[in-house]
Amino acid sequence: DQQVKQNSPSLSVQEGRISILNCDYTNSMFDYFLWYKKYPAEGPTFLISISSIKDKNEDGRFTVFLNKSAKHLSLHIVPSQPGDSAVYFCAARSGGSYIPTFGRGTSLIVHP
Amino acid sequence: ETGVTQTPRHLVMGMTNKKSLKCEQHLGHNAMYWYKQSAKKPLELMFVYSLEERVENNSVPSRFSPECPNSSHLFLHLHTLQPEDSALYLCASSQDGRGGSNQPQHFGDGTRLSIL
Repeated sequence: DQQVKQNSPSLSVQEGRISILNCDYTNSMFDYFLWYKKYPAEGPTFLISISSIKDKNEDGRFTVFLNKSAKHLSLHIVPSQPGDSAVYFCAARSGGSYIPTFGRGTSLIVHP
Repeated sequence: ETGVTQTPRHLVMGMTNKKSLKCEQHLGHNAMYWYKQSAKKPLELMFVYSLEERVENNSVPSRFSPECPNSSHLFLHLHTLQPEDSALYLCASSQDGRGGSNQPQHFGDGTRLSIL
């Protein structure tokens, strides 16, 4: 049973518009959430994270929102750029473990 | 050289061969991980080493054998693999967070393994 779910396998967005990637989780013990980006033939790279004591964290064009009551988080990229085209993985972990649980990933394509 | 380095990048082997994957990190981390990534599946955690001690083994078949000789190096020894073992094998490292800090994992670029 997947504890971290990314239900959209792919997303296509026009350059300059907003990209919204969604992630749901089932384990209420999760208290730290991360997003990773992965280009083909490369390993995932850390993008942004959020602790459960916050509901928003922003870093440049990237913002992560956390809704604890809904067990949902989302990654907003604005404005989207063609270089953002990659697979985005959501991950979560609980305070008792430093080992994250990953979702299946969402493939984002940003069209010029 | 910085980051997490994996060798080889690509490996093709027969089911009766024995080979090893190597991972090296230059980040001063004390935890290292092996993941398997198959198409359209989540990253599957295989093994975790913290301070050179194996702390997690996620029901991985014995044909995969990890080795962590020191905190900078991690190996995955392979023998008599099956075609379904063909996948991207990713190594990662991190601080294990026991001090309370939330540190992300740093990944290598993976070894693309094909079993004939």
